[in-house]
Amino acid sequence: GAGVSQTPSNKVTEKGKYVELRCDPISGHTALYWYRQSLGQGPEFLIYFQGTGAADDSGLPNDRFFAVRPEGSVSTLKIQRTERGDSAVYLCASTPGLANTGELFFGEGSRLTVL
Amino acid sequence: SQKIEQNSEALNIQEGKTATLTCNYTNYSPAYLQWYRQDPGRGPVFLLLIRENEKEKRKERLKVTFDTTLKQSLFHITASQPADSATYLCALDGGNQGGKLIFGQGTELSVKP
Repeated sequence: GAGVSQTPSNKVTEKGKYVELRCDPISGHTALYWYRQSLGQGPEFLIYFQGTGAADDSGLPNDRFFAVRPEGSVSTLKIQRTERGDSAVYLCASTPGLANTGELFFGEGSRLTVL
Repeated sequence: SQKIEQNSEALNIQEGKTATLTCNYTNYSPAYLQWYRQDPGRGPVFLLLIRENEKEKRKERLKVTFDTTLKQSLFHITASQPADSATYLCALDGGNQGGKLIFGQGTELSVKP
């Protein structure tokens, strides 16, 4: 597609459930990033991939969060045993290479609400 | 770790005036700094990138400065328009060779007609 695509755009779940959020980056972009944004805050880094491998996962808050990118394109962020504090907008971004070569292209985000 | 501070209060200005937004950081000096615009319910959109060896960069009505001594970047919008109303985010490189960006909390700008 023309831009970064994220699905679902909205997800409401109950505490304790498992959630998957999908990101389809711009075709040909090798780097993919996941950020989390709470209301009134800036995006908070979670993890980024270069190709299929996680180059930096230092932002993942705990072991309930996991992300994969098995073929170096689409990525899935997985959250186990969701908690109310996980409620946020999860943003995905991609770049042709490393961000210091230019801009991050963001998707519109997946809004997660944990009841 | 790097800390970034942007004007926490919303900035309200009159159409036609120049808006100036501030981004201050602590700790290490970033190799580059970026500014993004974010509209409600949308993802951030890239505006400008400035590198540590550049003092100023311009793009149409936008101007960014980067003072590594003061550890500060200023973002200016001249001849502001109501359509410029949005939240503006400052982002710095994560301090390693990777592509991670660290974002500030953003400043909400409102331009009144």
